[in-house]
Amino acid sequence: DAGVIQSPRHEVTEMGQEVTLRCKPISGHDYLFWYRQTMMRGLELLIYFNNNVPIDDSGMPEDRFSAKMPNASFSTLKIQPSEPRDSAVYFCASSFLGATEAFFGQGTRLTVV
Amino acid sequence: AQSVTQLDSQVPVFEEAPVELRCNYSSSVSVYLFWYVQYPNQGLQLLLKYLSGSTLVKGINGFEAEFNKSQTSFHLRKPSVHISDTAEYFCAVSEVDDDYKLSFGAGTTVTVRA
Repeated sequence: DAGVIQSPRHEVTEMGQEVTLRCKPISGHDYLFWYRQTMMRGLELLIYFNNNVPIDDSGMPEDRFSAKMPNASFSTLKIQPSEPRDSAVYFCASSFLGATEAFFGQGTRLTVV
Repeated sequence: AQSVTQLDSQVPVFEEAPVELRCNYSSSVSVYLFWYVQYPNQGLQLLLKYLSGSTLVKGINGFEAEFNKSQTSFHLRKPSVHISDTAEYFCAVSEVDDDYKLSFGAGTTVTVRA
């Protein structure tokens, strides 16, 4: 398997623009997580899904952030409108019932100028 | 809720010297413990994990960690480091039966010098 695939790897956008980050989990995995990594806050969980249903979105910082999982093989994290403080590396991870770990993608480095 | 404290933010070390990265956690329930490594501009790679059983866990690249329940610690060690071990290391914890959600420590940057 190719692992968790995130796109794009790098994104530079202007403040106020909409940004969409994409994730393809490992086939057969039924858990999907979005994490954000910043210098100030480290790695923090934003939201996670089980069987395409959002289970816990308490880590989503503001209403500007939204995440969807329309099917088992695709998820998006959208920021609208984006702000400079959203600049971070966003990681997607997936897992499955009975697993003992989560598998991470390479991340998307977002820069909002 | 669980939390993780990595006691050292930066650890400089000479090549072929040993290194220890300290990690303490707090949780009111049973946990799984992990160490991840992040090389520059890369994603997170699992080094090792503790689920149950033997408290000494061996991972990839010659790393090992010891789980100490009484001290709620999970320190990572390597007897002899290489330049290629320069990276950031994250300790993480997930509560058993809590959907694999991870709480991460702040990270320890290891810089190996010749």
